[in-house]
Amino acid sequence: GAVVSQHPSRVICKSGTSVKIECRSLDFQATTMFWYRQFPKQSLMLMATSNEGSKATYEQGVEKDKFLINHASLTLSTLTVTSAHPEDSSFYICSASGTYEQETQYFGPGTRLLVL
Amino acid sequence: AQSVTQLGSHVSVSEGALVLLRCNYSSSVPPYLFWYVQYPNQGLQLLLKYTSAATLVKGINGFEAEFKKSETSFHLTKPSAHMSDAAEYFCAVSEGRGYQKVTFGTGTKLQVIP
Repeated sequence: GAVVSQHPSRVICKSGTSVKIECRSLDFQATTMFWYRQFPKQSLMLMATSNEGSKATYEQGVEKDKFLINHASLTLSTLTVTSAHPEDSSFYICSASGTYEQETQYFGPGTRLLVL
Repeated sequence: AQSVTQLGSHVSVSEGALVLLRCNYSSSVPPYLFWYVQYPNQGLQLLLKYTSAATLVKGINGFEAEFKKSETSFHLTKPSAHMSDAAEYFCAVSEGRGYQKVTFGTGTKLQVIP
């Protein structure tokens, strides 16, 4: 149980384009989803927390107009990197927690974004 | 505020040897503690968690961790390392029931030498 998927697993795009990453909870209802960014050989940096049906809460220093998060259903959240630039290249990981086990986050496999 | 310190960014052990990955935490309230493992280019997999029940927690793949309040520690151990254990391990802390935000340590890369 508690499986989280992400799509795509890898994406390469040109500078200035937008990229959408999907995060889905496959076998449970995710009331809260989290989006992280991980730089090479570093820990995870929380970008934002989203609760189903409400606006995401962004961490300090994260541009909400740059990283658009939508959590329209209990099984799907999306992260859109708008007008991507090479410095946005990174590993993006989502996680989800459900109503019965709020304290535990289950992670997706991650999305490698490369902006040329 | 809560924080996690993982001692040793790299740990090397021989195959079959004891694995010990250290984690110390700081929390103003009784914490929930987690260990996650990350294989290259993958997300994080939950190994085990402490949620204020038994202080010795058993997880997947033969790993276990012991919560020691007096030492504010939650070290991860495995009696005998396997080559497949080579990965990055993250310790994390949250402020307990109902608190969803977790704080991650900087990670420890485990190398297993044949």
